[in-house]
Amino acid sequence: GESVGLHLPTLSVQEGDNSIINCAYSNSASDYFIWYKQESGKGPQFIIDIRSNMDKRQGQRVTVLLNKTVKHLSLQIAATQPGDSAVYFCAENRGEETSGSRLTFGEGTQLTVNP
Amino acid sequence: DAGVIQSPRHEVTEMGQEVTLRCKPISGHDYLFWYRQTMMRGLELLIYFNNNVPIDDSGMPEDRFSAKMPNASFSTLKIQPSEPRDSAVYFCASSGGLIATNEKLFFGSGTQLSVL
Repeated sequence: GESVGLHLPTLSVQEGDNSIINCAYSNSASDYFIWYKQESGKGPQFIIDIRSNMDKRQGQRVTVLLNKTVKHLSLQIAATQPGDSAVYFCAENRGEETSGSRLTFGEGTQLTVNP
Repeated sequence: DAGVIQSPRHEVTEMGQEVTLRCKPISGHDYLFWYRQTMMRGLELLIYFNNNVPIDDSGMPEDRFSAKMPNASFSTLKIQPSEPRDSAVYFCASSGGLIATNEKLFFGSGTQLSVL
C-alpha cells in the first residue's frame, strides 16, 4: 500500500547545530505536505507546510524541502535549541474532494537536542 | 481561544467496559477529527465530521467504535465493549476548513486510554 515513512526513527544533535529530518512518501497523487511537532504529553502542532508546486519554503528557523522526483521531503531546523526536542511527523494530503481533509502521517522521528 | 479541549486526559478501565471520550473543538471550526496514536501504527485517522455530519469513517476499526457530533461544539468517541488492544492515545482535532485548502489542523492534548 502507499504510505508516508521516515528514514530515521531517532536523531540526536548538539545545541546550536542544524538538524535535518527526512521523510519519504510513495503516493504520487499527494500535493500538499505538512510537518508537525509533537512534544511529550501534547498533541501534534503545525510547523510548516508546502504544496507540490514548490520546492522549498522557509519559516522561522525552519525550512521544508520537497523533491517530487524521488518523493522525498525534509525539514531543516537551524540553530537547534533544547526546546526543539520532540517527535516530528510529516503528513501528506491528496487534495481531492473526497480526501480533502484526510492526512496520512509518517512514523515520526524523535529529535533530541543535547546541551 | 482555549484550543481543542479533550476529556478525560487519562482513562483506565477494564476490558468489556464502555468508554466515552469527549471533545470540544475550537469555536468556529466546522471540521472535527478523531485520531488514534499507538507505537505500532502511529497516528491514524478514525473519523472526521464537517458541520456535524460524518464525512469519512473508513478508519473506524470496527462496530465497537462509534462517534457522534450532536452540535458544533461537542463530539464523543465511544468504545463498547473496550478491549486491551484499544489502549492508545486518542486525539481530537479541528480545522476551519479543508486541509487541502491550507487550513491548519489543531490538535487537543489527547486522552490516554488504558484498557486492562
